[in-house]
This record gives sequence, structure tokens and C-alpha cells, in this order.
Amino acid sequence: DSGVTQTPKHLITATGQRVTLRCSPRSGDLSVYWYQQSLDQGLQFLIQYYNGEERAKGNILERFSAQQFPDLHSELNLSSLELGDSALYFCASSVQGYTEAFFGQGTRLTVV
Amino acid sequence: EDQVTQSPEALRLQEGESSSLNCSYTVSGLRGLFWYRQDPGKGPEFLFTLYSAGEEKEKERLKATLTKKESFLHITAPKPEDSATYLCAVLLSGAGNTPLVFGKGTRLSVIA
Repeated sequence: DSGVTQTPKHLITATGQRVTLRCSPRSGDLSVYWYQQSLDQGLQFLIQYYNGEERAKGNILERFSAQQFPDLHSELNLSSLELGDSALYFCASSVQGYTEAFFGQGTRLTVV
Repeated sequence: EDQVTQSPEALRLQEGESSSLNCSYTVSGLRGLFWYRQDPGKGPEFLFTLYSAGEEKEKERLKATLTKKESFLHITAPKPEDSATYLCAVLLSGAGNTPLVFGKGTRLSVIA
């Protein structure tokens, strides 16, 4: 158990809908990352937050947004969902932005 | 463009047959290199962090090494439970916090 909690574990939704994925980082970790992993694809970095502030942005679509709250949990919002958004979404956390990151078990999103 | 390349893409070993996985990188500045293990449908599990050329880390049957251009993950006398995808990730140097950039992984199968 990495100490990073992601909910829900599975999500099935229709195209055009909006969903929210939630992540609770390890106790004491200030940095949260979101990654997307599609079938046969590597881990694609989406966005990073550090102590509530956005620190780095990857190939995140405009339909996607995220935030980190004062209690350090983070949410990833995905809207106007398309079939191609079906993937595993991982959250990871680290103490600082330059130390090893620990991953949650992911949310499997299926868009039908 | 910063790149992380892992080879081979897939590796099939007999139980007890030692081998090495490679992670080469072309980045403008390396702050650290990380190895992870990922089982199907699960989140990546942290294995090692390497920060400077010449550094080595060991854990059970795994040993990670780092040079200026690449890292190796040596697997000694592997067992079937070592079957997984092994990912390497680099942390780029630069101001502030930067995300981990992942390779696509090596899919290892160990046959009894």
C-alpha cells in the first residue's frame, strides 16, 4: 500500500458527460501529480500541484482541469468526455517535487 | 526534446536466467532517475532512486545502476513473481518542481 488513495476505482460513463476523480496523497506529501495511461501507452503526465498551487502542466486537454485543496487532496475533472478518454488515471504524491513519487492504484475510466 | 527510451520492449526469461533492462535518456539536465514496477491494472510501485553517475542500489534480486547516459536494472536469478512491467522515469533539473518523465517500460515475463 503506497498510502495514496484514489476514488473511485472504476467509472463507466457516457460520451459528453463530466466526471471527477479524487486523490488523497500520502500523509505529509505536498506535491500531487496526475498521469494518464491508455492501453499500450506509457504514463502521460497531465498536471502537478504543490501545496495548492499549479506547478507544471503536461499534455492536458482543455476539457480537463484539476485543483489541489487546502487539505492537500486533489481532484481531476474531465468534461465533454470522448471515447478516447477511456484510460487509467493515476495520481501520485511526493514530499517535494524532486523526490520519488508514490502512486495510487488508479481510476479506470471507461467512456461508452 | 527530452526523451526516455527503454529496451527491450519485452523480455521473456526462464526462472533463474539473469538479465538486464536498459533505460537511456537524452535530457538537458538530470536531477534523478527512478525505477518502478507495474503489475497489470495497478499503480506503479516505487523501487529505486538514483541521483548521480556511478550510484548503485539493490533490493532482493534487483540492482539498479546509473551512468551519464543510461541506467540498467539487473535482475539476478529471477522468479515468476518478478514478472511485471518495469518503468524508468527521469526527473529533469530546472527551477522549481518538475514532473517525472516516463519511458514506455519493459514487459518482463519469467517462466517457471
